[in-house]
Amino acid sequence: QVQLVESGGGVVQPGTSLRLSCAVSGFTFSTYGMHWVRQAPGKGLEWVAVLWYDGSNKYYADSVKGRFTISRDSSKNTLYLQMNSLRVEDTAVYYCARDDDTRGHYSRFDFWGQGTQVTVSS
Amino acid sequence: QSALTQPASVSGSPGQSITISCTATSSDVGVYNFVSWYQQHPGKAPKLMIYDVSNRPSGISNRFSGSKSGNTASLTISGLQAEDEADYYCSSYTSSRTLVFGGGTKLTVL
Repeated sequence: QVQLVESGGGVVQPGTSLRLSCAVSGFTFSTYGMHWVRQAPGKGLEWVAVLWYDGSNKYYADSVKGRFTISRDSSKNTLYLQMNSLRVEDTAVYYCARDDDTRGHYSRFDFWGQGTQVTVSS
Repeated sequence: QSALTQPASVSGSPGQSITISCTATSSDVGVYNFVSWYQQHPGKAPKLMIYDVSNRPSGISNRFSGSKSGNTASLTISGLQAEDEADYYCSSYTSSRTLVFGGGTKLTVL
């Protein structure tokens, strides 16, 4: 069955880096777009980034553009989020999600991971 | 401030119907019919309930329905049940090829 398992979260200081991983199984990685979505404590969902199914395009929220990078290793069935220059406001639970919308309109996040906590604090 | 505005909270009694609105405040969002709705219970990952304004994924109860008029999308839940109590988020594709979520609506079943 489809599974997404995030890892790599932790407590880090402002200005440092962290790499999140999302190990997927149960489906062909290269046929689905993949997203990162975050949720700050007690707040709503915030979309972070997308990697198109064919790897041809990546897009980011303005709040992370230039600091975060989404990528994947198909040989390891793993999605990554490299987070640099972390800020206190990046503190959140980070979810990876599979996008079943092959049109590239981000309309069907049909499977989600359980989330990994990132805390940025001095 | 999100480009999608939702009421902070709604409530209803078991068996009743409620509607949650989602209004696009920007034209680069409101023109699209790629609106989705997600349900999130405390401490859990979100769950897709509606996509493309009004389509239900397999396994989602037909008590959940979606619609859109102009810049406002709506999620209606009929025959409210206790397990429907959760946070609900709308989302929409944008002209920048990004995604935006609404601020979320807390549904309380009285």
